[in-house]
Amino acid sequence: KAGVTQTPRYLIKTRGQQVTLSCSPISGHRSVSWYQQTPGQGLQFLFEYFSETQRNKGNFPGRFSGRQFSNSRSEMNVSTLELGDSALYLCASSPGINYGYTFGSGTRLTVV
Amino acid sequence: GQQVMQIPQYQHVQEGEDFTTYCNSSTTLSNIQWYKQRPGGHPVFLIQLVKSGEVKKQKRLTFQFGEAKKNSSLHITATQTTDVGTYFCAPQETSGSRLTFGEGTQLTVNP
Repeated sequence: KAGVTQTPRYLIKTRGQQVTLSCSPISGHRSVSWYQQTPGQGLQFLFEYFSETQRNKGNFPGRFSGRQFSNSRSEMNVSTLELGDSALYLCASSPGINYGYTFGSGTRLTVV
Repeated sequence: GQQVMQIPQYQHVQEGEDFTTYCNSSTTLSNIQWYKQRPGGHPVFLIQLVKSGEVKKQKRLTFQFGEAKKNSSLHITATQTTDVGTYFCAPQETSGSRLTFGEGTQLTVNP
């Protein structure tokens, strides 16, 4: 059974650019959540999608957006990148509410 | 809103010693999950606690959920070098709400 797949693994972008990260959940998992992990701030919740609907949203600016497709795959987009957006972005999937999450290996984004 | 504090932030132990991390919430929780993240890795789900006073064991790991459902702990007996990593609690205030993560306890084990 394939795990959660995130692409790309590493990304270097320039300030002001935008970026799109992709996440393919475990087959059959309908819930996908995104987290930002930095050494100083820990794991910060970005948003959660379930059956193509955003169910929960964290306290991030509008530059951060996401969506989920009918096959449960999800993307997150960050526009007008800032240096502070450099982080590990983790995607996690679960079968539904009140289940444990399976995390992907993450996308390491560096903004220069 | 919900505030969760996880302590200690760091813990260094000698191999064979016990280790405990605590997670305390300002509000009553629906459930709490625990995760382990190895250095350079991603969080891995360990367990979910739902019932008041619940105790669950996984080999040398013991998880507890407080009677008031406001705190939880993870205890490792006789640590091994394979236990190295950061342990996160992830409480949910209500069923289906966002899964937030504590700041984590970084465990190092000296052989």
